[in-house]
Amino acid sequence: QKEVEQDPGPLSVPEGAIVSLNCTYSNSAFQYFMWYRQYSRKGPELLMYTYSSGNKEDGRFTAQVDKSSKYISLFIRDSQPSDSATYLCAMTQADSGGYQKVTFGTGTKLQVIP
Amino acid sequence: NAGVMQNPRHLVRRRGQEARLRCSPVKGHSHVYWYRQLPEEGLKFMVYLQKENIIDESGMPKERFSAEFPKEGPSILRIQQVVRGDSAAYFCASSPHTLNTEAFFGQGTRLTVV
Repeated sequence: QKEVEQDPGPLSVPEGAIVSLNCTYSNSAFQYFMWYRQYSRKGPELLMYTYSSGNKEDGRFTAQVDKSSKYISLFIRDSQPSDSATYLCAMTQADSGGYQKVTFGTGTKLQVIP
Repeated sequence: NAGVMQNPRHLVRRRGQEARLRCSPVKGHSHVYWYRQLPEEGLKFMVYLQKENIIDESGMPKERFSAEFPKEGPSILRIQQVVRGDSAAYFCASSPHTLNTEAFFGQGTRLTVV
């Protein structure tokens, strides 16, 4: 079993829809939770990161963390064709060397249809 | 991800040759991370370096792969005697501190071994 599970999609939605992207994890030591967006043939771009359970909002994006269920979500409101990309969840845990080691999900490919 | 420069963007090597991938972090960032990305496997951690030191190389194969981040100049990921299985996108990220929840990624180097 992978430490981080993410549905690869692809997920196709019409423009304006609310998108829900999800990851589950098995390692209770994960501390920080991030969402990255990656356009085709580009590097990942950090969207948001959270530490505690609950919601964090930034514009059209809301990140949700439920540590008790080991489940995180990213919601995109009023989705736009420019949101079409692969979304990667990522989580960190403290390494024995004292730094936060990152584990990525495999990514969900999202297509927003005009 | 502005500021992390990777070159070359595309690299073609014949089996048995050496590949050198370069990464110049964001100015002022002293923490560099290398990742490999394959289509079905997502981003896999390879190595974490601070200036002149390798902090964590647990994700890097013991044979043929090496990394450095000298006091002056870019970080280098070196792959000796490349094989077809080394074909992948290699991404570099940098952060200003060990809490790499705000790491910036480069655009990647796509290595093709023929």
